[in-house]
Amino acid sequence: GAVVSQHPSWVICKSGTSVKIECRSLDFQATTMFWYRQFPKQSLMLMATSNEGSKATYEQGVEKDKFLINHASLTLSTLTVTSAHPEDSSFYICSAGRTGSGNTEAFFGQGTRLTVV
Amino acid sequence: DAKTTQPNSMESNEEEPVHLPCNHSTISGTDYIHWYRQLPSQGPEYVIHGLTSNVNNRMASLAIAEDRKSSTLILHRATLRDAAVYYCILRDPPRTSYGKLTFGQGTILTVHP
Repeated sequence: GAVVSQHPSWVICKSGTSVKIECRSLDFQATTMFWYRQFPKQSLMLMATSNEGSKATYEQGVEKDKFLINHASLTLSTLTVTSAHPEDSSFYICSAGRTGSGNTEAFFGQGTRLTVV
Repeated sequence: DAKTTQPNSMESNEEEPVHLPCNHSTISGTDYIHWYRQLPSQGPEYVIHGLTSNVNNRMASLAIAEDRKSSTLILHRATLRDAAVYYCILRDPPRTSYGKLTFGQGTILTVHP
């Protein structure tokens, strides 16, 4: 089946630094990918939609200058958390759906645990 | 998107069947009922989906009420590896991109040995 892979699985960074998270679709092309954030004991919240070759679309309340999204190819989207602060510590998850008849399944990466100290 | 309501938590014993309910009284005619689950410290994974008829796959069965206002995910024999948060999600394919899902709080399933 289709696989979406995230890297790294976990990262610890100092406050004020930037962190890049990669999301790859391994066996299909994804013109659109999605980034979610999940705080402890809470559900997933959609942050933004990553569009290949164009600007990302951010959900209300998500700072586009803080969470930079780049979708330069049909198999790779990156999320950069700029000037990270402890409140940005969270579990970040990407997803993609393979378009085509009969396929309605969303594929998720394994998630990236970000800890800002 | 139409909302779903699920119990916060459920418990089961290993090897026993588990019935996870979901209410979606405002479902529209074109909404598909999807179930995903999230194991601890992992991204969600697809379980099953359906529109009107009951569905079976290797992981589970989905029973959909005749009026479509509720559904039940059935795990026929729970194992310890089935302990996860189960999400019932409605999605309208023509209007919603694949991969974009609205998650509720889900049901935390605990499986006892």
